[in-house]
Amino acid sequence: DQQVKQNSPSLSVQEGRISILNCDYTNSMFDYFLWYKKYPAEGPTFLISISSIKDKNEDGRFTVFLNKSAKHLSLHIVPSQPGDSAVYFCAARVEGAGNNRKLIWGLGTSLAVNP
Amino acid sequence: DVKVTQSSRYLVKRTGEKVFLECVQDMDHENMFWYRQDPGLGLRLIYFSYDVKMKEKGDIPEGYSVSREKKERFSLILESASTNQTSMYLCASSSWNSGTGILFFGSGTQLSVL
Repeated sequence: DQQVKQNSPSLSVQEGRISILNCDYTNSMFDYFLWYKKYPAEGPTFLISISSIKDKNEDGRFTVFLNKSAKHLSLHIVPSQPGDSAVYFCAARVEGAGNNRKLIWGLGTSLAVNP
Repeated sequence: DVKVTQSSRYLVKRTGEKVFLECVQDMDHENMFWYRQDPGLGLRLIYFSYDVKMKEKGDIPEGYSVSREKKERFSLILESASTNQTSMYLCASSSWNSGTGILFFGSGTQLSVL
């Protein structure tokens, strides 16, 4: 049973437009949500995170929005650039102490930004 | 900058071989992880370790073992490689008290078992 769901396996966007990647979750015990970006044949790199007590976090072109009542978060990329083409993973951290803090991963959304 | 180094980018092995994947991190992190990534299946946790000589099974430990003799090094062992272990293997590390749970990943090892 997937606790973190990225329902869109792929997304295609024109350069300069907004990319919106979505993530839904089922577990109310998540205390942090993270977005990672992964290029082919490379390891994922951390992009941006948000605490469960916030509803928005912004870092340059990347903004993450959290709607706790809907158990939904989204990553907005504005403006989208061809270099943003990658697989984006949503991950959630289980609230707890030390070793119990595990990350639960979505299956990823492949973003293609077309020139 | 945190650096997580995986010893090989590409490996080709034969069915039945014993395979060692090595990972070293340079940030004195307590936690280290081994994941595999397969198309359509996301990242699946194989094993993790929160201290030297300590290990815990992840979601898919069958067919794998791990070793952590030193804090900076975490090895994944395929005792008898099989074709269904062909995958991208990713090592990661994190601080035990990381405020946000950020993992730092290596570049990955693409393993092909023939």
